[in-house]
Amino acid sequence: EPEVTQTPSHQVTQMGQEVILRCVPISNHLYFYWYRQILGQKVEFLVSFYNNEISEKSEIFDDQFSVERPDGSNFTLKIRSTKLEDSAMYFCASSRDRYSYEQYFGPGTRLTVT
Amino acid sequence: TQLLEQSPQFLSIQEGENLTVYCNSSSVFSSLQWYRQEPGEGPVLLVTVVTGGEVKKLKRLTFQFGDARKDSSLHITAAQPGDTGLYLCAGGDTARNNAGNMLTFGGGTRLMVKP
Repeated sequence: EPEVTQTPSHQVTQMGQEVILRCVPISNHLYFYWYRQILGQKVEFLVSFYNNEISEKSEIFDDQFSVERPDGSNFTLKIRSTKLEDSAMYFCASSRDRYSYEQYFGPGTRLTVT
Repeated sequence: TQLLEQSPQFLSIQEGENLTVYCNSSSVFSSLQWYRQEPGEGPVLLVTVVTGGEVKKLKRLTFQFGDARKDSSLHITAAQPGDTGLYLCAGGDTARNNAGNMLTFGGGTRLMVKP
């Protein structure tokens, strides 16, 4: 069964450093998403991406964040200058198309900023 | 801002008991997904409901979407220890033009089923 994969599973970085989180969505899916979950809190939407551009973003997704689909399979989330409060689980998800309700999540990347 | 409230937050029951988890909002959603999340892992999709009043069954799990599409429930019959986990509801809104289905998540219900 096709699944979303994410790398790395755990990333430790120092405050102020740049990190890139990688995701490989399900191959025939067209919509991609990033969510984050701070420990003990709700899963929060960050951004959706379609046709090589951002469809929607939340207030969390400020200028420190960017997304890219550098090739036909990878989808990345970059945080330019990490802060302590960026420590969270980051989940990538994908859905088949704009009208598909189902989103399939990857296993997540645990980002720890020290 | 759309909000989803889940109740109860925690539930500890004995094997064989029935339980119901609720997901409520003052907003209308175009769809409602239920996920299960294990510690340190991503949410795993259980079911999607899209029509007001819709009922879906997945073995011992019964999911219902409220008539007004503002609330949903998950009922588990004869709970087993393997049902232990975090259950999340998430509402979707596809009303926006050219927007994917941004999900709003509830806070989750942590279920423990004791043997």
